[in-house]
Amino acid sequence: EAGVAQSPRYKIIEKRQSVAFWCNPISGHATLYWYQQILGQGPKLLIQFQNNGVVDDSQLPKDRFSAERLKGVDSTLKIQPAKLEDSAVYLCAGAGVADTQYFGPGTRLTVL
Amino acid sequence: GESVGLHLPTLSVQEGDNSIINCAYSNSASDYFIWYKQESGKGPQFIIDIRSNMDKRQGQRVTVLLNKTVKHLSLQIAATQPGDSAVYFCAEGRGGSNYKLTFGKGTLLTVNP
Repeated sequence: EAGVAQSPRYKIIEKRQSVAFWCNPISGHATLYWYQQILGQGPKLLIQFQNNGVVDDSQLPKDRFSAERLKGVDSTLKIQPAKLEDSAVYLCAGAGVADTQYFGPGTRLTVL
Repeated sequence: GESVGLHLPTLSVQEGDNSIINCAYSNSASDYFIWYKQESGKGPQFIIDIRSNMDKRQGQRVTVLLNKTVKHLSLQIAATQPGDSAVYFCAEGRGGSNYKLTFGKGTLLTVNP
């Protein structure tokens, strides 16, 4: 069984630029999560999808962050414009009926 | 406020010893708890989970204990190996199906050969 795929693995941009991250969860996992993990901290939930609908985006900074999962499979998280404090690892996780969340390797974003 | 925290930020053990990593949670409404292992440069890897109707659950070399009275969770690793060196996170969940997890800061486990 293939794991959760994320790309790119690393990204370096300058502040005020835009960036997008892609995630493809394990096949059949209807629930998809995006997390932000700042160095030295635990992951923090940004947004949760159930199929192609948003379940919870209460912690997503909507003035600059957006996410979509149009066909209920893969998902894209975008930041526009990026700020220095957005430097973090962005993790994607998927879950099936058993609730356990399986994480991808993450995208490490550095904003200069 | 709601929080999930860890008693010890770092833990150093000798290879072959047993390790115990502790976690405190504050939300009595949480009904699902999970431990993840995160190695450098990788995403969190599922270790074991437990629901609030259980006190103990065992896996391969790992045991999770849940004490709801004092809102405490622990992860026991038997015969710790160098490959167990990583940051360990506990997380709490609530909300029926499709849990939203709240993570603690993590404990760095170092296994000395």
